[in-house]
Amino acid sequence: GAGVSQTPSNKVTEKGKYVELRCDPISGHTALYWYRQSLGQGPEFLIYFQGTGAADDSGLPNDRFFAVRPEGSVSTLKIQRTERGDSAVYLCASSLAGIGETQYFGPGTRLLVL
Amino acid sequence: QKEVEQNSGPLSVPEGAIASLNCTYSDRGSQSFFWYRQYSGKSPELIMSIYSNGDKEDGRFTAQLNKASQYVSLLIRDSQPSDSATYLCAAYGQNFVFGPGTRLSVLP
Repeated sequence: GAGVSQTPSNKVTEKGKYVELRCDPISGHTALYWYRQSLGQGPEFLIYFQGTGAADDSGLPNDRFFAVRPEGSVSTLKIQRTERGDSAVYLCASSLAGIGETQYFGPGTRLLVL
Repeated sequence: QKEVEQNSGPLSVPEGAIASLNCTYSDRGSQSFFWYRQYSGKSPELIMSIYSNGDKEDGRFTAQLNKASQYVSLLIRDSQPSDSATYLCAAYGQNFVFGPGTRLSVLP
């Protein structure tokens, strides 16, 4: 079947604007993860969903970041009042069941805040 | 702060040689360990997972885990130029933590 998909592939916005990033996981995968990756660094964990609920949101940097997964499949990462420091590649991954299992990554959304 | 550490490299090896990539982790409670390969501008892709002490082999790749030393390694035999990429080590304990990655360059 299809892999993890993310839209948009690129997003340019202005400081202070609101953005939404979408992730469509592999069909049947109950676990979904959001990471962000800056140049030259490894992915930084943001949030992990098990089904519809956020099982671990300890990586969200502040209350400007929020994510939802209302039907247990597609997830949206929402960033309010964007700042230049939010510029990064936002990666989504999914796994068949719980955390600790193999994660399959999407192609990422490259966010640039001007 | 739970950490995973890797030498950033670049690690350069000639074609056909063995490349050895190392990783240490700080969370003694970590249970699962993963090696991902990431080509420039692409997303990470899983190479191997390892959960128990010892070696695990898959084709040209061998992962080694030593929980007492909190050390994970990846050996790539018969290295090919197509293996040139950044290799990310990840550990799952309280949550999922990635290292910064090691850049590998395999020279023809």
